[in-house]
Amino acid sequence: EAGVVQSPRYKIIEKKQPVAFWCNPISGHNTLYWYLQNLGQGPELLIRYENEEAVDDSQLPKDRFSAERLKGVDSTLKIQPAELGDSAVYLCASSLSAGNEQYFGPGTRLTVT
Amino acid sequence: RKEVEQDPGPFNVPEGATVAFNCTYSNSASQSFFWYRQDCRKEPKLLMSVYSSGNEDGRFTAQLNRASQYISLLIRDSKLSDSATYLCAVNRHSGYALNFGKGTSLLVTP
Repeated sequence: EAGVVQSPRYKIIEKKQPVAFWCNPISGHNTLYWYLQNLGQGPELLIRYENEEAVDDSQLPKDRFSAERLKGVDSTLKIQPAELGDSAVYLCASSLSAGNEQYFGPGTRLTVT
Repeated sequence: RKEVEQDPGPFNVPEGATVAFNCTYSNSASQSFFWYRQDCRKEPKLLMSVYSSGNEDGRFTAQLNRASQYISLLIRDSKLSDSATYLCAVNRHSGYALNFGKGTSLLVTP
């Protein structure tokens, strides 16, 4: 069974530029999560989707971050404009349903210069 | 106080040793508990769920102590390949997303 797929794996952009990350969850997983992980820290939730509905986005900086999961499968996370402090690893995870074990994708390592 | 706290280590142990990590959580209403393993520059991988009755998977044993609000991970007969960062995760008070600790670094040496 394929795991969570993310792309790109690495991205380097200049500050103030836009950037987008894509995630394809494990087939059949209804719940999708975007996390941010800084060096030496655990992942921190940005947003959680139940199917196509964002049910927990309280940690998402909405002035510059947006996300969508239009058909309840793939998801895109966007930053516009990026700031130096956004440099981190952006992890996507999925679970069969809320409360079940979460499985992570390989992440996108973002560097903002 | 952070919601999930772990001793960052590093724990340096020789091969074959037994090592234990604890993780404390602040929300007494938490229901789901997990241990993840994360290798350098890789994603977290689920190691095991932690049940109220405790659970064991080979050399790994996880326990939950609700009264004292901590979970533990015991690794017996450590292997070089066990070297990694171990993250504990507890469900958030507001729902099903997880709060992670910062991780405990383990280095198993020959």
